[in-house]
Amino acid sequence: AQSVTQPDIHITVSEGASLELRCNYSYGATPYLFWYVQSPGQGLQLLLKYFSGDTLVQGIKGFEAEFKRSQSSFNLRKPSVHWSDAAEYFCAVGVSQNFVFGPGTRLSVLP
Amino acid sequence: GAGVSQSPSNKVTEKGKDVELRCDPISGHTALYWYRQSLGQGLEFLIYFQGNSAPDKSGLPSDRFSAERTGGSVSTLTIQRTQQEDSAVYLCASSLPGQGTMNTEAFFGQGTRLTVV
Repeated sequence: AQSVTQPDIHITVSEGASLELRCNYSYGATPYLFWYVQSPGQGLQLLLKYFSGDTLVQGIKGFEAEFKRSQSSFNLRKPSVHWSDAAEYFCAVGVSQNFVFGPGTRLSVLP
Repeated sequence: GAGVSQSPSNKVTEKGKDVELRCDPISGHTALYWYRQSLGQGLEFLIYFQGNSAPDKSGLPSDRFSAERTGGSVSTLTIQRTQQEDSAVYLCASSLPGQGTMNTEAFFGQGTRLTVV
């Protein structure tokens, strides 16, 4: 069965530090991959997506992610974190017209 | 509308009562999804509608849960005889069909926070 794992439940970084959130998926074919962010009390907002082509994709708010087929990974990165980035981050795979979400990683940002 | 709209935003109900949650998707989006998010948890898939096809109900946790989508637009999620464990945020999303069998991105509403007391 298709699945998405996010190994880190909670990550804390200092403002201005770099960030990498991990995502691994299990899916037989080339997947459609997504990263969403959920601020407290809000719905989910799309940060970026990968369908095909260049494996390094740029998103909103200065985020990027790299698709690595050999590692079945789609890690999210940001070179310099801002306090407003504190939120829950979800990785998702598009599977047969549905979406499978990972459990999420909560990001805390220290001043 | 401009985005996915869900109502009510908050609902407090007594155990054993029925509740209806409403989702109004983005105009033209043929796919509609319901997810449940319990406190501190990820998204649990409940049900998926795609156009006029039979819905995928594989995620509904019990027969107390049901959903319908009228006219291919608005959807209602109904929970009968609510239990305390039903307390969660219920998220609705919609999307356009993508290439082949794949959808594009999902657009989410703000959710309905259900509290069963």
